[in-house]
Amino acid sequence: DAKTTQPTSMDCAEGRAANLPCNHSTISGNEYVYWYRQIHSQGPQYIIHGLKNNETNEMASLIITEDRKSSTLILPHATLRDTAVYYCIVRGAPGAGSYQLTFGKGTKLSVIP
Amino acid sequence: DVKVTQSSRYLVKRTGEKVFLECVQDMDHENMFWYRQDPGLGLRLIYFSYDVKMKEKGDIPEGYSVSREKKERFSLILESASTNQTSMYLCASSLWTGPEKLFFGSGTQLSVL
Repeated sequence: DAKTTQPTSMDCAEGRAANLPCNHSTISGNEYVYWYRQIHSQGPQYIIHGLKNNETNEMASLIITEDRKSSTLILPHATLRDTAVYYCIVRGAPGAGSYQLTFGKGTKLSVIP
Repeated sequence: DVKVTQSSRYLVKRTGEKVFLECVQDMDHENMFWYRQDPGLGLRLIYFSYDVKMKEKGDIPEGYSVSREKKERFSLILESASTNQTSMYLCASSLWTGPEKLFFGSGTQLSVL
């Protein structure tokens, strides 16, 4: 699975958009980009995933560059409850490799009142 | 919503004890996973199962075993607990269709004294 690089920490004002970047320059054609988050003392929570096209759901938007070497997770109106560690993960579909989702150190997002 | 329930939130055991961590999911997922999470090391896969009575080793299976007698239940067993198995244990489940979305439980913080 491709390796990802994320900033260690970020701050965002409450009510503003939070834009979390992720670099995955070694991504291959069949690998998906996943985003999870982990609120303190809880298990990780799936947010969104994508392959090539931009994706949006009720939680967030995922913008993937045309060359697929980087992506940005957007929380459109951050709230205090969005304070968490955000993980960007790249891996292939089941059967294409291991079952493991490799969680790196992620980005600690702090939403400031 | 998918619910993954871990039997205990906190557990304290003595060195040498046999420890059972139980996990139940309610969405008929084929895949189930056990991870442990330690500061600075991220999440590491211990074992996973893709069907009843099937199991596969993850990255760190030593000192652990698992049991999956029913589709909804996946147990992690520490045959003889040691202090270096003090950790947060996270169970997860997913469907076997396309890109995997893991659903995690809240975790069990195990302390081995």
